[in-house]
Amino acid sequence: DTEVTQTPKHLVMGMTNKKSLKCEQHMGHRAMYWYKQKAKKPPELMFVYSYEKLSINESVPSRFSPECPNSSLLNLHLHALQPEDSALYLCASSQDPLGETQYFGPGTRLLVL
Amino acid sequence: QKEVEQNSGPLSVPEGAIASLNCTYSDRGSQSFFWYRQYSGKSPELIMFIYSNGDKEDGRFTAQLNKASQYVSLLIRDSQPSDSATYLCAVRGDDKIIFGKGTRLHILP
Repeated sequence: DTEVTQTPKHLVMGMTNKKSLKCEQHMGHRAMYWYKQKAKKPPELMFVYSYEKLSINESVPSRFSPECPNSSLLNLHLHALQPEDSALYLCASSQDPLGETQYFGPGTRLLVL
Repeated sequence: QKEVEQNSGPLSVPEGAIASLNCTYSDRGSQSFFWYRQYSGKSPELIMFIYSNGDKEDGRFTAQLNKASQYVSLLIRDSQPSDSATYLCAVRGDDKIIFGKGTRLHILP
């Protein structure tokens, strides 16, 4: 099973809303990632969690707040977003932080109004 | 600044022909190389990875790596319309994977 699941599939939110994106994997992977992808652009790394600890933050604005409650779950809390934050948010996981193969979830398409 | 370069395309290839996708990278210390396929509106899907110089074949796909030239390529034999997608080259350095901007491939029926 190489499945990474993400919810919701689509999200529309206003700039004053608070929402959360969820990601789950049951492959026993110990590294999980959040990426942001705009149309016709490659995925941009946002955060890396390694063994449930934040190991990389790519200078992401504080209106994005990641959380790793356990080794299978990864959340991304959203607050006071801007319209330019509208994008496809992708979660991925790999066996470990040096794991060669990252498996992507289907993504959450976010629209900020 | 570590970079991964790809021609954005579109690359148009007749059905049944060989599609050749190319990628260059700047970090000579890069260790692992990946090709992802991404259909419009979908998430990237890993199709090949390669670590060592030379060729690696998997079905209709062949990845080629030349570390001296800092060059990695993907060949798709017997191209099918379902191969039409954006192909992302990704390179692993010390601590993270860097993606190229992708090449749009269009297989002409």
